[in-house]
Amino acid sequence: DGGITQSPKYLFRKEGQNVTLSCEQNLNHDAMYWYRQDPGQGLRLIYYSQIVNDFQKGDIAEGYSVSREKKESFPLTVTSAQKNPTAFYLCASNKDTRFYGYTFGSGTRLTVV
Amino acid sequence: GENVEQHPSTLSVQEGDSAVIKCTYSDSASNYFPWYKQELGKGPQLIIDIRSNVGEKKDQRIAVTLNKTAKHFSLHITETQPEDSAVYFCAASMGQFYFGTGTSLTVIP
Repeated sequence: DGGITQSPKYLFRKEGQNVTLSCEQNLNHDAMYWYRQDPGQGLRLIYYSQIVNDFQKGDIAEGYSVSREKKESFPLTVTSAQKNPTAFYLCASNKDTRFYGYTFGSGTRLTVV
Repeated sequence: GENVEQHPSTLSVQEGDSAVIKCTYSDSASNYFPWYKQELGKGPQLIIDIRSNVGEKKDQRIAVTLNKTAKHFSLHITETQPEDSAVYFCAASMGQFYFGTGTSLTVIP
């Protein structure tokens, strides 16, 4: 079955560490996205990529970095510059945003310890 | 940019009753309006969507209505069941998606 796989499901980060969240899709979608979700808030866009080797900052990109070396993969690195990284992170992909909704992964819950 | 507002933020209904969640958007260029259901600890799942050339769409117990003039759209769930309990998000898109802040629906058995 096609879908998006996020790993790990839970991740713990110590102060000053960088951590990388994995996102892989086998839907042959060109566009991929990273969102952050905090309790009681909507989804906030971190980064998105519409094509391999190209990506754009979203609304809250500071303290995060991404790469898109393969169509299937869009990893997100949470750097030590992100002062409040504890959140639920969602990866999504899309065939054509004019006509189709996102397909979301199951999320990664990141906690700073 | 687009601004999507969603109400109410929490909603409790008795099993078997109907639930209605409303969203408004600001940019008349938005032309695609999906609704997502998110269960605890999981990613959102698309449950229904509507495009700007359609006023209403139904799928079994779920329906969405769109009023382009007033720039609002609504999700209607009839004959609610406990498994409908979740957080529901609306979104508006003209290429980029803009999400509402979510409605936590609780269906009381």
